[in-house]
Amino acid sequence: QSALTQPASVSGSPGQSITISCTGTSSDVGTYNYVSWYQQHPGKAPKLMISEVNNRPSGVSNRFSGSKSGNTASLTISGLQAEDEADYYCSSYTNSGTRVFGGGTKLTVL
Amino acid sequence: EVQLVESGGGLVKPGGSLRLSCAASGFTFSSYSMNWVRQAPGKGLEWVSAISSSSGYMYYGDSVKGRFTISRDNAKNSLYLQLNSLRAEDTAVYYCARTPVGYYFDYWGQGTLVTVSS
Repeated sequence: QSALTQPASVSGSPGQSITISCTGTSSDVGTYNYVSWYQQHPGKAPKLMISEVNNRPSGVSNRFSGSKSGNTASLTISGLQAEDEADYYCSSYTNSGTRVFGGGTKLTVL
Repeated sequence: EVQLVESGGGLVKPGGSLRLSCAASGFTFSSYSMNWVRQAPGKGLEWVSAISSSSGYMYYGDSVKGRFTISRDNAKNSLYLQLNSLRAEDTAVYYCARTPVGYYFDYWGQGTLVTVSS
């Protein structure tokens, strides 16, 4: 049950776009369209940003989008804003019925 | 409004036990699977356990299997996590989270801190 692989950090300037990758295996990301993404600000609970690869919950900005290719899922944030600075985590369902998170990516808005 | 409120955290010695609770409101609790997710200080999220809506299925992460037990009481709209044989590495904020069909976590509680230390 290894964690999904995310870059430790990414950065971008306001208005730019960034992409965070999330690499798993054929036991999780590669087989199931049950990849989700979460935003977490310091001291706060995580917040769902993307469900089932590319579904955006009501209330989440359309600047956030998700995709998947093979064993790798991606979260793209366009038109970066200062309030996007946070930690981001991906998660996937696995073939053993468990769930797994990525190690997290710290987004810095320069 | 969906609300999840965890309680039961605290300081416990290695080898000790603790029972966490999560009180749910604002939705039909018995219709949803529920999860526990933890976060050690300064670390990332770690999925701990899941239970189906009617308690028919329970799943555990490898690091807690055999030591933690998830349960629920749909009549009381409550989720529980029994933590036994606690270790220092179990120190974390424990969140309960709701899972609709689709295996994602759409609502989270504010978390309860468990500290395992002598």
